[in-house]
This record gives sequence, C-alpha cells and structure tokens, in this order.
Amino acid sequence: GAGVSQSPRYKVAKRGQDVALRCDPISGHVSLFWYQQALGQGPEFLTYFQNEAQLDKSGLPSDRFFAERPEGSVSTLKIQRTQQEDSAVYLCASSLRQGWGTYNEQFFGPGTRLTVL
Amino acid sequence: DAKTTQPNSMESNEEEPVHLPCNHSTISGTDYIHWYRQLPSQGPEYVIHGLTSNVNNRMASLAIAEDRKSSTLILHRATLRDAAVYYCILSVGGGNKLTFGTGTQLKVEL
Repeated sequence: GAGVSQSPRYKVAKRGQDVALRCDPISGHVSLFWYQQALGQGPEFLTYFQNEAQLDKSGLPSDRFFAERPEGSVSTLKIQRTQQEDSAVYLCASSLRQGWGTYNEQFFGPGTRLTVL
Repeated sequence: DAKTTQPNSMESNEEEPVHLPCNHSTISGTDYIHWYRQLPSQGPEYVIHGLTSNVNNRMASLAIAEDRKSSTLILHRATLRDAAVYYCILSVGGGNKLTFGTGTQLKVEL
C-alpha cells in the first residue's frame, strides 16, 4: 500500500522567502509528526497532530515555523522568511494513533531537503 | 526523555551477526525501547521495540538486560542492505514523539 509521501522532495529558497512543505500520511493514520534533520544529525521533533488538533508544538524553533492539518489528513509545514540555518531535511511521519497499551510505530516519508541560499 | 548512548560506528562482514549496543541507565518503568534505522537518503524505518522481554521479528532481535539499563539489537545475518544508521530511542509508547540521538553508523563489508 501507499506509504507516507512528501512534496517537494527538494526545495531551494532564497533567504527571506516563504516555503510550504506538504505531507500526505498513510490513510487512516490519526497521528502525524514533523521532524527536522540537520546534516549528520538525527531527526529532531518539531510538532505533533492528532487528527486536526496540534497537540504539541514544543519543537518548533521559532515563530517563523507554522504547521497545520486542517482536515486531519494532509499536513503542511510552512516556514516564513527562511534563514540559512533552516537548511535541513524535513521529515513527516504518521502512526495509527498515540496511546498507551497499543504499540503503533511511526512510518516516515522520504523527507523534503530544503536548501536556503 | 531519558537519554541513550550508542557507539558512533560499527563494522561487520556480510552474512555475519551484528550486535548493536545501547545504554539507557536512566530508563523509567514506562519507557519502551525502540529501534529505528535510516538508510542513506531515506526516512527512518521502524525495526523493533520492546518493554521488558526479549523480542524477535523478521528483521531483528532485541535483547533487553534484566535491569533494563541496556539493550542490544541483533541482526542475525548482516547484508549490504543493512548498512544504515541505527537509532536506539526511549519513549512511553510507539505513537509518541521520538527523541533521536546520533545513532550508530553500521558499515557492512563483503
């Protein structure tokens, strides 16, 4: 079946531009996560949705970062006024649900590589 | 989140078993131990998880110390396709946010 898809796969932006990164999770998955992965590092958590509700945005590095999932399926991560330090791979993951007692692994997309010049 | 410690890199020969260690001395009673791996230019993929008992699946085995302060991911027969960064992660459940470290880069040679 279809996995998590992300678009675009590559994005080059000039410093100061706004960008929007899209994530299509696996159909029926309630939970959706965004992670940021700098070169040579492990992914770092940005934000989490359960259906359309953004329950945790503690990892967003600044108010230039905004994420939404208005209908509880597709999600968009928006970065305003991009800076060079925003250059990274942005990973989206989905899981069936979050909760105790039942284990639900996260399925990751291939990521969007953002380069800010 | 409790912290994990892994070696930066390990090497193995193809067709041989690989034991990837992970220390997590501050693990709490509700923490699951998860392993994910990340192949080059791909997103991470789930490998295995456990809570207290050793676990086996089609990809690997997970051996958990009795005091749960360490664990070992076992690949029974490494192949070239197993070359990846392996992350040992603790969290209270699979569907919760994952805190990755820098992981162990596994190199597999012919």
